[in-house]
Amino acid sequence: DTEVTQTPKHLVMGMTNKKSLKCEQHMGHRAMYWYKQKAKKPPELMFVYSYEKLSINESVPSRFSPECPNSSLLNLHLHALQPEDSALYLCASSQPGQGGKLFFGSGTQLSVL
Amino acid sequence: QQPVQSPQAVILREGEDAVINCSSSKALYSVHWYRQKHGEAPVFLMILLKGGEQKGHEKISASFNEKKQQSSLYLTASQLSYSGTYFCGTSFKETSGSRLTFGEGTQLTVNP
Repeated sequence: DTEVTQTPKHLVMGMTNKKSLKCEQHMGHRAMYWYKQKAKKPPELMFVYSYEKLSINESVPSRFSPECPNSSLLNLHLHALQPEDSALYLCASSQPGQGGKLFFGSGTQLSVL
Repeated sequence: QQPVQSPQAVILREGEDAVINCSSSKALYSVHWYRQKHGEAPVFLMILLKGGEQKGHEKISASFNEKKQQSSLYLTASQLSYSGTYFCGTSFKETSGSRLTFGEGTQLTVNP
């Protein structure tokens, strides 16, 4: 199984809502990532978990809260988002360290109204 | 530091060749190449880890010139399936390999 599964595929939320994005992989990868991608732009790194510990937080606003319950799961909790947070949110996994190729999920297209 | 990709866009006829460049002002440790089709996830193509390394995958190959801090992706005898946006992602010696920074992308269109 070489898939990274993300749910939901689409999400529309209001600025006062609380929602969560989910990501799952069964490749035994010990590094998991959240990226944000705006239309016609490259993916931008948000968070990295390595061995279930948060290792990189790219100064992401606290309205985004990541969680890694175990080595296969990654969540992104959303609260009080702004319309400019509307984007494609991509989850990825790899083996930790240099040279680990990223396996991306198909993403959650988020719209904040 | 975001790597610089060129060209921004290229249009080919099937069977033609293309080169996409990725350069950095900072000493690189690794260069990744990914292709993303519209509405889909980026898909890994290859990683180059050492200066001067050249890797190949069918008709797609890449080189990494450590001295010039740049990598080039070569697409030969292009096929319709090669259409998409190509991103290079770079990591640096002094930072975690997990911190990959992507260039702005090169949009490749292959027409019949």
